[in-house]
Amino acid sequence: GESVGLHLPTLSVQEGDNSIINCAYSNSASDYFIWYKQESGKGPQFIIDIRSNMDKRQGQRVTVLLNKTVKHLSLQIAATQPGDSAVYFCAERGRTSYDKVIFGPGTSLSVIP
Amino acid sequence: GAVVSQHPSWVICKSGTSVKIECRSLDFQATTMFWYRQFPKQSLMLMATSNEGSKATYEQGVEKDKFLINHASLTLSTLTVTSAHPEDSSFYICSARDGGRVGYTFGSGTRLTVV
Repeated sequence: GESVGLHLPTLSVQEGDNSIINCAYSNSASDYFIWYKQESGKGPQFIIDIRSNMDKRQGQRVTVLLNKTVKHLSLQIAATQPGDSAVYFCAERGRTSYDKVIFGPGTSLSVIP
Repeated sequence: GAVVSQHPSWVICKSGTSVKIECRSLDFQATTMFWYRQFPKQSLMLMATSNEGSKATYEQGVEKDKFLINHASLTLSTLTVTSAHPEDSSFYICSARDGGRVGYTFGSGTRLTVV
């Protein structure tokens, strides 16, 4: 099966601070990049996506940045809250709506109250 | 919003037996569903793409005779782990393509423990 990376890096932030989670993707042909949040024992939850022809997209308290030159994706969470503690995955998908979603290695975010 | 339901949420089975996991799209039709497995503290690994009315497409290294996928209707795909062994113990997650959404909708996962 396809996957990128095997081990889970961790990030600890103080409540109220901003969090930045980084991801390196592999396929320059991917057309969409997606961030998911996964809480323990649950399936991934969609957060935000960005298309390859964009370099920034904002949502509620979250911003995704895409740098295609170095194949880098980041998720910024403003004013991090305890409820943001989870594992965050970047993922990539092709152009058509039938394309499979391939997940990156993930980052465990721990928010310190 | 779109909801994908998985059943069971957890299952314990004896080595050598088979286990069936169901993935249902509750409020939309899904011609394509995807099956993933996830080991502790690791990422989701795509196992196969399930297509309604046709054979599933398996990722390299995934045994199609061991992980049987059936997508007989537009709202249901099943994954059967045949002759399960302890190394098959994992978290199995399905997702479904919901219209124009970029990020597909994921089920809540099934924790399989083979003893």
